[in-house]
Amino acid sequence: TQLLEQSPQFLSIQEGENLTVYCNSSSVFSSLQWYRQEPGEGPVLLVTVVTGGEVKKLKRLTFQFGDARKDSSLHITAAQPGDTGLYLCAGGRDSNYQLIWGAGTKLIIKP
Amino acid sequence: NAGVTQTPKFQVLKTGQSMTLQCAQDMNHNSMYWYRQDPGMGLRLIYYSASEGTTDKGEVPNGYNVSRLNKREFSLRLESAAPSQTSVYFCASSFRTVGTTEAFFGQGTRLTVV
Repeated sequence: TQLLEQSPQFLSIQEGENLTVYCNSSSVFSSLQWYRQEPGEGPVLLVTVVTGGEVKKLKRLTFQFGDARKDSSLHITAAQPGDTGLYLCAGGRDSNYQLIWGAGTKLIIKP
Repeated sequence: NAGVTQTPKFQVLKTGQSMTLQCAQDMNHNSMYWYRQDPGMGLRLIYYSASEGTTDKGEVPNGYNVSRLNKREFSLRLESAAPSQTSVYFCASSFRTVGTTEAFFGQGTRLTVV
């Protein structure tokens, strides 16, 4: 059972376009993390959001945690080829040490 | 570089062979994890160790064993490898900040079982 659903699974767009990736669940999380993974490497943490409604910006990337702490979105403005990679969301709970992972969104930005 | 170090990076095994994947972290993290990553399935937790001296099963523990040797090291053993265990294996560690569990990953071990 995939507790965190990511959409779309795959996205290929031209450089300069904007895009949004979604991470949805019916469960409440105490935190939500976004990671980026490049081919041949392990995932690297981009951001953590912990408060419902929280918005964090990392240069051209904007992350939002839903008010009910069940969903999150990642918006990229003016995408660049360097943004290419697999984007993973992961939810954390206070009750244990495990993260619940989405299956990922594979993003390709064409020059 | 500081972080999580995994060895080996690549391995080919024959069905029935055994091997141990090694992992070490130098960030003084309490918790360590072993994941496998298969296309379209994201990361699936095999085993984790919340703190030194403890280990617990994750989502897919069958066919694997682990040892938390000390605070720095967490190894994963395949006793009798099967083709279904062909995957990319990642070790991760986290400090366990209250309310969050931010994970830091190694570069992965690409395992093929033939």
